[in-house]
Amino acid sequence: DGGITQSPKYLFRKEGQNVTLSCEQNLNHDAMYWYRQDPGQGLRLIYYSQIVNDFQKGDIAEGYSVSREKKESFPLTVTSAQKNPTAFYLCASSTSEFDTQYFGPGTRLTVL
Amino acid sequence: EDQVTQSPEALRLQEGESSSLNCSYTVSGLRGLFWYRQDPGKGPEFLFTLYSAGEEKEKERLKATLTKKESFLHITAPKPEDSATYLCAVLPEGAGTYKYIFGTGTRLKVLA
Repeated sequence: DGGITQSPKYLFRKEGQNVTLSCEQNLNHDAMYWYRQDPGQGLRLIYYSQIVNDFQKGDIAEGYSVSREKKESFPLTVTSAQKNPTAFYLCASSTSEFDTQYFGPGTRLTVL
Repeated sequence: EDQVTQSPEALRLQEGESSSLNCSYTVSGLRGLFWYRQDPGKGPEFLFTLYSAGEEKEKERLKATLTKKESFLHITAPKPEDSATYLCAVLPEGAGTYKYIFGTGTRLKVLA
């Protein structure tokens, strides 16, 4: 079954900790994305990658970092510099940056 | 500024009571408009992509239409399982334009 997986489903972070959210896809898509979803707001783009070993900042990249070492994987690290990280994080992928994006199931991050 | 507005914010329908959700957009040019369904605590599920004014697409009880300024998601004879948040996103035209612009969604509740 082709699709996008995200892990963990729930994640708790203490103040000052860095945490990494996993995103894997087996759709053979070139482009991958990370979004943040907060209540009452539209999805906001954190980072995106059009191709392996290349990625660009989105609208709210401060306090986050990513890597794209493999086509299938696009992990997101939420650093201690992100002051308000509690949110629902969504990973997406598409054949190219101009095509339909398909989403994973999401990771809910809570700061304790 | 590119913008997407969805209305209403919330909608309650009786089972079988047809209605429409609206997505109005302001962009200099439209590369594509996308509809998604999102259940609580889950990632958005892709429904439709529309590319040009006059285009229509259907899937079961859902029909999406597109004009030069807005899109409608028509729900015919809805059932309780259609209850979800429906998200609209647009991909503007333009060199280097890669970002979806998401609306805040319409929360639909269908009562049995």
